[in-house]
Amino acid sequence: DTEVTQTPKHLVMGMTNKKSLKCEQHMGHRAMYWYKQKAKKPPELMFVYSYEKLSINESVPSRFSPECPNSSLLNLHLHALQPEDSALYLCASSQDVDSYNEQFFGPGTRLTVL
Amino acid sequence: KQEVTQIPAALSVPEGENLVLNCSFTDSAIYNLQWFRQDPGKGLTSLLLIQSSQREQTSGRLNASLDKSSGRSTLYIAASQPGDSATYLCAVNWGGKLIFGQGTELSVKP
Repeated sequence: DTEVTQTPKHLVMGMTNKKSLKCEQHMGHRAMYWYKQKAKKPPELMFVYSYEKLSINESVPSRFSPECPNSSLLNLHLHALQPEDSALYLCASSQDVDSYNEQFFGPGTRLTVL
Repeated sequence: KQEVTQIPAALSVPEGENLVLNCSFTDSAIYNLQWFRQDPGKGLTSLLLIQSSQREQTSGRLNASLDKSSGRSTLYIAASQPGDSATYLCAVNWGGKLIFGQGTELSVKP
């Protein structure tokens, strides 16, 4: 199984809502990533988890809160978002954060903030 | 600053043509480089991974080369098909972080 799954596929939320994005992989990977991709732009790294601990936060606003409850799951909790946060949110995983490992991406969650 | 540039931004070719997509990067101290395909509104599909010690990788009709010293990689697609139409992204791994180029939007006309 070389699949990374993400739920939901689409999410529409208001600026006062609280929602969560979920990501799951069953490849035994110990590194998981969140990326944000705006329309017609390349993905940009947000967070990296290594062995269930946050290892990189690319200066992401606190209204985005990542969580890694176990080695297979990665969540992104959303609160008080702005319309400019509307984007495709991609999850990825790799064997570990060793630089030689290939990253595998999920299909993404399309987020719209009203 | 570590940056990745892809040329051209868009490319339209007739079916059956061989084509080359270009990727350049500013810092040669890379760990590896990945080529991805992205269909509209979808996630990324990994096509090829080239480690810094390698010169090329092949998968079917795809061949990717890497010249680390000059900061360049190319993705060669042989005998293009309409199903190859997508955006192709080059991503360079510096210290475990992937930094992406802007992508090349490829359209293959029947």
